[in-house]
Amino acid sequence: ETGVTQSPTHLIKTRGQQVTLRCSSQSGHNTVSWYQQALGQGPQFIFQYYREEENGRGNFPPRFSGLQFPNYSSELNVNALELDDSALYLCASSLAAGLGNEQFFGPGTRLTVL
Amino acid sequence: AQRVTQPEKLLSVFKGAPVELKCNYSYSGSPELFWYVQYSRQRLQLLLRHISRESIKGFTADLNKGETSFHLKKPFAQEEDSAMYYCALASKAAGNKLTFGGGTRVLVKP
Repeated sequence: ETGVTQSPTHLIKTRGQQVTLRCSSQSGHNTVSWYQQALGQGPQFIFQYYREEENGRGNFPPRFSGLQFPNYSSELNVNALELDDSALYLCASSLAAGLGNEQFFGPGTRLTVL
Repeated sequence: AQRVTQPEKLLSVFKGAPVELKCNYSYSGSPELFWYVQYSRQRLQLLLRHISRESIKGFTADLNKGETSFHLKKPFAQEEDSAMYYCALASKAAGNKLTFGGGTRVLVKP
């Protein structure tokens, strides 16, 4: 059984650019959640996808968008990058979307915006 | 709104000493509380959740609804307990969204 994987491991972008981060969920999991973790802080919920539909969103602007594919892998897209978007982006998958389903985290993608 | 507070950024204890990590939350309903741990160079992983009432790696945590706290305790810290610990909350209203605290770094000295 393969765990949650994320790509790329790290990347550097400049302000105003766009970025796409990818996540492969654990085998059998249909729910993916994305979190942003700024340096020295706890992870902050961005949004969740359940069976290809957005299933909840945190306090992030519309330039943060996502997608989930039929195989339940997911993408996080960020447009018009700002310096404050520099962070570790974590993806977590779970068996289902309901409360009580443990979330399994990936290793994260470290994004630096210059 | 859900909020989780971990007042200590860093806890430094000697091996064999007790360790307690504080977590306070604000939520008006019935939350589900978790402790996540991140060891060096490893991914974030679930340590324990209040509904299971288990002791994992010697750690326990009791949900105190009156004080809105979910402190993590271990009577005898080990060097391998050195890690970053995050308290998190989920609620039925918000689905499986986790609200994390800022984290506490635990350093267990030999």
